[in-house]
Amino acid sequence: GAVVSQHPSWVICKSGTSVKIECRSLDFQATTMFWYRQFPKQSLMLMATSNEGSKATYEQGVEKDKFLINHASLTLSTLTVTSAHPEDSSFYICSAKKLAGANNEQFFGPGTRLTVL
Amino acid sequence: AQSVTQPDIHITVSEGASLELRCNYSYGATPYLFWYVQSPGQGLQLLLKYFSGDTLVQGIKGFEAEFKRSQSSFNLRKPSVHWSDAAEYFCAVRLGGGYNKLIFGAGTRLAVHP
Repeated sequence: GAVVSQHPSWVICKSGTSVKIECRSLDFQATTMFWYRQFPKQSLMLMATSNEGSKATYEQGVEKDKFLINHASLTLSTLTVTSAHPEDSSFYICSAKKLAGANNEQFFGPGTRLTVL
Repeated sequence: AQSVTQPDIHITVSEGASLELRCNYSYGATPYLFWYVQSPGQGLQLLLKYFSGDTLVQGIKGFEAEFKRSQSSFNLRKPSVHWSDAAEYFCAVRLGGGYNKLIFGAGTRLAVHP
């Protein structure tokens, strides 16, 4: 299998606080993980590509100081939303690509719903 | 620029009826194409993918899709829809050349009437 988990599944926080979301590949090693954002009834938009041991590559328009990504191991990437505001409320989904094989397929996590009050 | 278009935002079908969800892409090279399904509040599950070879690909849950290069399309089909198929469906294209970025369409929300 190729299972990706996210923690927490949902989080509510006050404006101005920081929130950390974890993405783990449970049964495989992932060289690359991706972070997406999905607004209600909209599609997924890639925020950044995270490679283990190196800096993340952010998509145009995504603030790297706002959305801190750390990919410290082959099974864990974290997204920290710093000084969160209501407009950051969204559904955040990660995906992971296997170290080898699987035609570079991305395996998706179940998502984390962030609500900023 | 690369893009994926799903012309239908919402589709409603009766249980047991056939289904076709449309997807058109814009990409200069041979695309890698995907269909994903998302249930409410959940992540994405891969239904099927096309990389090369036979242009009619079979996926899970009885879905199939046909790649038509001349029409730049990759439409998803199912001969008989079940109530459990109600969900959001996303078509996606992956850029080639070793770059793994996925470009998603806007999605089609499928409702199934009993």
